[in-house]
Amino acid sequence: DTAVSQTPKYLVTQMGNDKSIKCEQNLGHDTMYWYKQDSKKFLKIMFSYNNKELIINETVPNRFSPKSPDKAHLNLHINSLELGDSAVYFCASSLSGANVLTFGAGSRLTVL
Amino acid sequence: AQSVSQHNHHVILSEAASLELGCNYSYGGTVNLFWYVQYPGQHLQLLLKYFSGDPLVKGIKGFEAEFIKSKFSFNLRKPSVQWSDTAEYFCAASRPMNYGGSQGNLIFGKGTKLSVKP
Repeated sequence: DTAVSQTPKYLVTQMGNDKSIKCEQNLGHDTMYWYKQDSKKFLKIMFSYNNKELIINETVPNRFSPKSPDKAHLNLHINSLELGDSAVYFCASSLSGANVLTFGAGSRLTVL
Repeated sequence: AQSVSQHNHHVILSEAASLELGCNYSYGGTVNLFWYVQYPGQHLQLLLKYFSGDPLVKGIKGFEAEFIKSKFSFNLRKPSVQWSDTAEYFCAASRPMNYGGSQGNLIFGKGTKLSVKP
């Protein structure tokens, strides 16, 4: 029943590791997003994909690489994790042309 | 740069009290405005939105917000809160795509934590 689901919900890892967060939506939306919520609670867009094509790429280190195998999935892969990557990462989706986003529950990444 | 400000970091109320959470945005011109709520351990959920028309917007769970263009504000209100309203509330703004905005690029405030005492 979950509209936008992310896995894992919690992820604890060491500096330098590579990790992925997966996102899937079953709403029939064609646009998906990754947002990052930092320790000060600011939510900021990182990427958006429309029909598997990248349309927004904010100033994000190239250690972050989104991958969209199809319209219903947008995964986030992070290489060489750093302490500053610790945050909650939210996936979201919407219909093309609509500014109303449906969010997932977030994935809390802790880098030690 | 465009920004959204929520002045209250943490609000504590007793049940049945009235609620008003402040939100100000820095966009000039046409803007889309949103309030999202995040209950503990759950996803961000849309409470209400304003795109155009009547500046008094009604949302789910008895919430409403008023868009006051002259004050660049979009405050959230509820006449009588319940314990189940305990959550984090986020105000967000975006430029509509037909006014040069990027789809889905919402600028969020830092959130206001609401604690309702039973």
